[in-house]
Amino acid sequence: AQSVAQPEDQVNVAEGNPLTVKCTYSVSGNPYLFWYVQYPNRGLQFLLKYITGDNLVKGSYGFEAEFNKSQTSFHLKKPSALVSDSALYFCAVSSLNNAGNMLTFGGGTRLMVKP
Amino acid sequence: SAVISQKPSRDICQRGTSLTIQCQVDSQVTMMFWYRQQPGQSLTLIATANQGSEATYESGFVIDKFPISRPNLTFSTLTVSNMSPEDSSIYLCSVRIAQGYNSPLHFGNGTRLTVT
Repeated sequence: AQSVAQPEDQVNVAEGNPLTVKCTYSVSGNPYLFWYVQYPNRGLQFLLKYITGDNLVKGSYGFEAEFNKSQTSFHLKKPSALVSDSALYFCAVSSLNNAGNMLTFGGGTRLMVKP
Repeated sequence: SAVISQKPSRDICQRGTSLTIQCQVDSQVTMMFWYRQQPGQSLTLIATANQGSEATYESGFVIDKFPISRPNLTFSTLTVSNMSPEDSSIYLCSVRIAQGYNSPLHFGNGTRLTVT
C-alpha cells in the first residue's frame, strides 16, 4: 500500500523568508508525486508534480519541490514567502503499481505566513 | 485545465434526509472521482464515477449510502443518503483531464455539508 506523511500540522514563517513544507512517501515502484494547495472555502489547486527527470521541479506561484529518492521525500519550497501563500498544502502520491491509479493524500500542512 | 462546477456550495441538512451534489465539467473527461474531506482531515476517495456503469467504491463506502450517477462524460452526481452528523464534511468532485497515471487531478470548489 502507498502512503504519504506530512510531519508538520502547521508551519509558521515570516513574510520574505524561505519556506519548506515537508513530505515523505512510501510506494512500491517509481512514485508520481504531487503538491496541491487549498485556500479557504475552495477546492484543491494543483501546484506541481514530479514524474521523472530533474529532481527539482518548478510549479505555480513560485513554488518548487525537490525529489529525493534515497530519503523518499518531496519537500515543497519557496525562496520568499508571501502572506497570500497562507493556505493548506497537501502532498499526494501515485504509482504505476497502484491498481486503479488512485492518488493518496497526506494529512495536510497549514502554512501561516506572517507580515 | 477544466472548469469544474459543484452545486450546492454548502448546505445544512437534517438528520435522516438525503442531499444530491452535482458536478459539471466544461469539457469531456474520462475519469471523475468523488472525495470526502472531514473537518480538519485529509482527502479520502469515496468512489470513481464510471460513465455508463456502476461506480467503483473504495473500502468503507457503499452504494446504498453514497449512490453516484454519471450519465455522460461531463456530469456526475453524488447523493449522501440518510444523513447523520458524522456525514458533515466537504465533498469534492475531481477529474483527470489527460490520460495517464502521471496526470494531476483537478478539483471543484467542494460542497460543505453540515448535518444537524
